[in-house]
Amino acid sequence: DAGVTQSPTHLIKTRGQHVTLRCSPISGHKSVSWYQQVLGQGPQFIFQYYEKEERGRGNFPDRFSARQFPNYSSELNVNALLLGDSALYLCASSTTGSNEKLFFGSGTQLSVL
Amino acid sequence: AQTVTQSQPEMSVQEAETVTLSCTYDTSESDYYLFWYKQPPSRQMILVIRQEAYKQQNATENRFSVNFQKAAKSFSLKISDSQLGDAAMYFCAYRSIGASGTYKYIFGTGTRLKVLA
Repeated sequence: DAGVTQSPTHLIKTRGQHVTLRCSPISGHKSVSWYQQVLGQGPQFIFQYYEKEERGRGNFPDRFSARQFPNYSSELNVNALLLGDSALYLCASSTTGSNEKLFFGSGTQLSVL
Repeated sequence: AQTVTQSQPEMSVQEAETVTLSCTYDTSESDYYLFWYKQPPSRQMILVIRQEAYKQQNATENRFSVNFQKAAKSFSLKISDSQLGDAAMYFCAYRSIGASGTYKYIFGTGTRLKVLA
């Protein structure tokens, strides 16, 4: 089975632009979450989606939005990019319940110039 | 709010030796999960080990084991017989039990482990 896949792997944007990052979860996983990892720090929670509904949101501005599609894939959108948005964006998928475990993709490295 | 602290930015260990990575956390919850994740240079996060807070027995996965001290809110990772492939960033993470289908992970700042040949 394929793991969590993210696209693109690298992206360069300029300030003020918009970006869309994509994630395909492991087959059978209905939950997808997004994390931002700035260089030298641990991942920070942005969103969680389960069955196409937002179930959790971290402390990120409204410029960040996401959605989950009927096939459980997900998009993360960031508007009006700032230099500080430069980071590795990680997507993770999981089943749910007491035995839940996160499986991460390899991330999208976003550079904002 | 929950917090996770990793006070060792970097650790080194000789190949075949044992190393312990430290993690402390703060929470008012009684039920939760704790994890150690490994992030090699490929930057993909890989689950190393998981501990349920309600279990007193420390989790073990092959060469990896934890020392879970709930009262002290401490969760250290011991790596035995260290191998060159163990070199990576290691992140400690906390997860609330949450309602069905909902959760949020809180990660520490990481410890970079170097394995010396």
